[in-house]
Amino acid sequence: EVQLLESGGGSIQPGGSLSLSCAASGLSFSSYAMSWVRQAPGQGLEWVSVISGSRGRTYYADSVKGRFTISRDNSKNTLYLQMNTLRVEDTAVYFCAKGGFGAPGSFMDVWGKGTTVTVSS
Amino acid sequence: DIQMTQSPSSLSASVGDRVTITCRASQDISNSLAWYQQKPGKAPKLLLHGASRLENGVPSRFSGSGSGTDYTLTITSLQPEDVATYYCQQYHSVPPITFGGGTKVEIK
Repeated sequence: EVQLLESGGGSIQPGGSLSLSCAASGLSFSSYAMSWVRQAPGQGLEWVSVISGSRGRTYYADSVKGRFTISRDNSKNTLYLQMNTLRVEDTAVYFCAKGGFGAPGSFMDVWGKGTTVTVSS
Repeated sequence: DIQMTQSPSSLSASVGDRVTITCRASQDISNSLAWYQQKPGKAPKLLLHGASRLENGVPSRFSGSGSGTDYTLTITSLQPEDVATYYCQQYHSVPPITFGGGTKVEIK
């Protein structure tokens, strides 16, 4: 069974930094694209970033470009999201999700339970 | 960027009713469309991809159809456990990956 477990969420002041991790198990991790998707309180789903499988190509939503960095360590089956210069509007539950393919353009067939990030002064 | 417009934003139906949710893309997405179900406080769950391909374990009362820019999720006989918010997502042209705004389904 494929499982994803996020960690690293918490409360932080505006302008601060936070690093999220997503530990994956039960899959050939390097074969699949991995995404971060967030959901602000009471709002819909917003895609944040995706990294392709083996080549590690990265793409970002305009709202986080230049502030967030997605990366992966295929030897540790772990996905990361480094979040810098955090804003109040980055407050959300952050989900990691496994792509159905190695390419970045994919549906997401397995999701973690999410980790909460709260940005507030 | 491809915009995804879902309708309605919410609906209320009786147990056993047929429920239809639509998703319109701002350009042809060639069936690169997924549907998700999200229950309160839970992660989204993939129901269908490729517009009509049902995921393993998803009840057969869920089905998807459409082509080009217009797609539909149908629940043929609404059950109490189907109360959730449903989202469509296109993956034809990325970045960005885009979701619809969601449809909240309640029991009347």
